[in-house]
Amino acid sequence: AAGVIQSPRHLIKEKRETATLKCYPIPRHDTVYWYQQGPGQDPQFLISFYEKMQSDKGSIPDRFSAQQFSDYHSELNMSSLELGDSALYFCASSLGDRGPYGYTFGSGTRLTVV
Amino acid sequence: GQQLNQSPQSMFIQEGEDVSMNCTSSSIFNTWLWYKQEPGEGPVLLIALYKAGELTSNGRLTAQFGITRKDSFLNISASIPSDVGIYFCAAPNSGGSNYKLTFGKGTLLTVNP
Repeated sequence: AAGVIQSPRHLIKEKRETATLKCYPIPRHDTVYWYQQGPGQDPQFLISFYEKMQSDKGSIPDRFSAQQFSDYHSELNMSSLELGDSALYFCASSLGDRGPYGYTFGSGTRLTVV
Repeated sequence: GQQLNQSPQSMFIQEGEDVSMNCTSSSIFNTWLWYKQEPGEGPVLLIALYKAGELTSNGRLTAQFGITRKDSFLNISASIPSDVGIYFCAAPNSGGSNYKLTFGKGTLLTVNP
């Protein structure tokens, strides 16, 4: 079965650079969520989109922005990168009306800021 | 905000032993979820609980939704080396058609063969 695809899997950036993370949801899933997981931490919700509109916002820095496109894929744009942005970034997708049971995570993008 | 208190933080057990971990909160939830995460991978849903008092099994895994709706536990019976990983409890913050999850801090399970 198709899963949530994230790219790239690994990314190394220098401080103050920008990064773009991509997420391709499971086909027909209309909702995308982004989470950040620091080393040894639990995943923290950043932002979500439903039918291409932002549906909820968590602890996402102002330096980050995201959007969901017409094909439902989503991109997380991160600017002025800081060392503390080094983390695993997960995307998850679901069908809006299936709730948490239909929530599937991708394998994540490991971002390292040096 | 809502917090999930998960314990223990880590467990070191021998293969074949049973394991128990739990999550508590001061908030009431309508859903409790248990995920497993392996190194470098995203969390994978193990069990979803939707009703207070519900007891659900998935193979050697059993989870219960507490009667007060403020807690849940996960049991793993007859552990095997591939059970190694981090186990997270999670609960959604809101109803409707969109759900953001709050996670516990995780339980790191190590199984010695």
